[in-house]
Amino acid sequence: AQKVTQAQTEISVVEKEDVTLDCVYETRDTTYYLFWYKQPPSGELVFLIRRNSFDEQNEISGRYSWNFQKSTSSFNFTITASQVVDSAVYFCALSESNTGNQFYFGTGTSLTVIP
Amino acid sequence: KAGVTQTPRYLIKTRGQQVTLSCSPISGHRSVSWYQQTPGQGLQFLFEYFSETQRNKGNFPGRFSGRQFSNSRSEMNVSTLELGDSALYLCASSPQWRTGELFFGEGSRLTVL
Repeated sequence: AQKVTQAQTEISVVEKEDVTLDCVYETRDTTYYLFWYKQPPSGELVFLIRRNSFDEQNEISGRYSWNFQKSTSSFNFTITASQVVDSAVYFCALSESNTGNQFYFGTGTSLTVIP
Repeated sequence: KAGVTQTPRYLIKTRGQQVTLSCSPISGHRSVSWYQQTPGQGLQFLFEYFSETQRNKGNFPGRFSGRQFSNSRSEMNVSTLELGDSALYLCASSPQWRTGELFFGEGSRLTVL
C-alpha cells in the first residue's frame, strides 16, 4: 500500500504567488517521521524539514512553512511569495520507527514558478 | 564540510553486464542508504548500511547488492543488468541509522542499452 501520496503532479504559479504542496501519509506506527525534500535539476535531494509524530506544531522558516495535522494524516508545505529559484520537484517522505533510514517517498510535485 | 560524493556520475552499460557504483558519505556519518529513482516507480529504497552491516533491505532482486567499508564508504553492485535497471541511483548518508535526516549525493545515472 502506498504510504505517501502527493496528488499534485505538476503545479505552475506566477512569481510572488503563494503555493501549497499537499502530502498525505499512511502508517500504523505511532512513532514516525515526516520529511520534505527538494530536488533541483542537478538531481541531488536537498533536505528541507523533519517532523516527528509527537510534534504537531507548525513550523515556519523564512518563506517556507509546514502544516502537520495528524487528524487528517497530512503534512502540507507552503511557499510564500514564490520565486523562480523555487522551481524544482518536491518530495514528501515518511520513515517509521522500526525501519531505520528506509524512507517511503511520495511521487513528487513538480513546481514551476513563472517569472 | 564536503557533501556526499558519488562516482561515476554517468555511465552506459549493455544488458548482461555488471556495474559498481561508489558513495563517500559526509565525514562522520556512519549510515549509508541507497535509493533507485525512475520515472515509473519513483524513489525506492534499496538498502542501508551502518557500521559495515546491512541493516535493512528493500524489495529488489538479489542482483542488487552492496557493502560498506570501515571508513563508511559504500559501494553497490548490480549484476546481469536489465533494461529496467536504467535509473538514477542516489546515495544518502546520515549520522545515525534510525530515522535520521538523509543527506543525498547527486546520484549516478545509469543507462542500460
